[in-house]
Amino acid sequence: EVQLVQSGAVLKKPGESLKISCKGSGFTFSNYWIGWVRQMPGRGLEWMGLISPDKSDIRYGPSFEGQVTISADKSSNTAFLQWSRLKASDTAMYYCARQGNYVLDPWGQGTLVTVSS
Amino acid sequence: QSALTQPASVSGSPGQSITISCTGTSSDVGRYNYVSWYQQQPGKAPKFIIYGVSQRPSGVSNRFSGSKSGNTASLTISGLQAEDEADYYCCSYTRSDTWVFGGGTRLAVL
Repeated sequence: EVQLVQSGAVLKKPGESLKISCKGSGFTFSNYWIGWVRQMPGRGLEWMGLISPDKSDIRYGPSFEGQVTISADKSSNTAFLQWSRLKASDTAMYYCARQGNYVLDPWGQGTLVTVSS
Repeated sequence: QSALTQPASVSGSPGQSITISCTGTSSDVGRYNYVSWYQQQPGKAPKFIIYGVSQRPSGVSNRFSGSKSGNTASLTISGLQAEDEADYYCCSYTRSDTWVFGGGTRLAVL
């Protein structure tokens, strides 16, 4: 079964760093782009960015350039989303998804990030 | 890159048809046939129901159909069922080699 499994929910304080993960299985991870999508509480989906199979190409949405870092480790079939200094406004559900045929499928189950003092 | 424009909400009665529009620009929806639609049930991850403007993956009901004209893509759901009640998002590839979602549309089946 093709699936993406994300790391669990986290509670962090403003200013702290964070790295969440997305592990793929059931497919050749190195053959696919992996994307990240943010959903703030009660809000819509926002495309954050994606990383190419060989990690040579990383693209960010305009609102996320410089705010987060996307990376991947082919040896562990895992993609990552990282913050160096969290803000309260980073509180959201974060989804990873595999990109193939210009569509995001499947999606991970989501990682809830809560940033609160 | 602004979000694609969708109506905030639509509603219909069981058995009826509804259409959700998704308006972009000549740099995204109007430029590429890479428009996809996602359904999100409450508390769940999104699931794609249409890709390539009008292609339907196996397992998705043929009551769902997609189309595009100019800078506007559309999702039509025919024979509405209670289980169709969800949030729907369009998504398009852009000239900047990135992607952009619509703001989302909440479908109520009355």
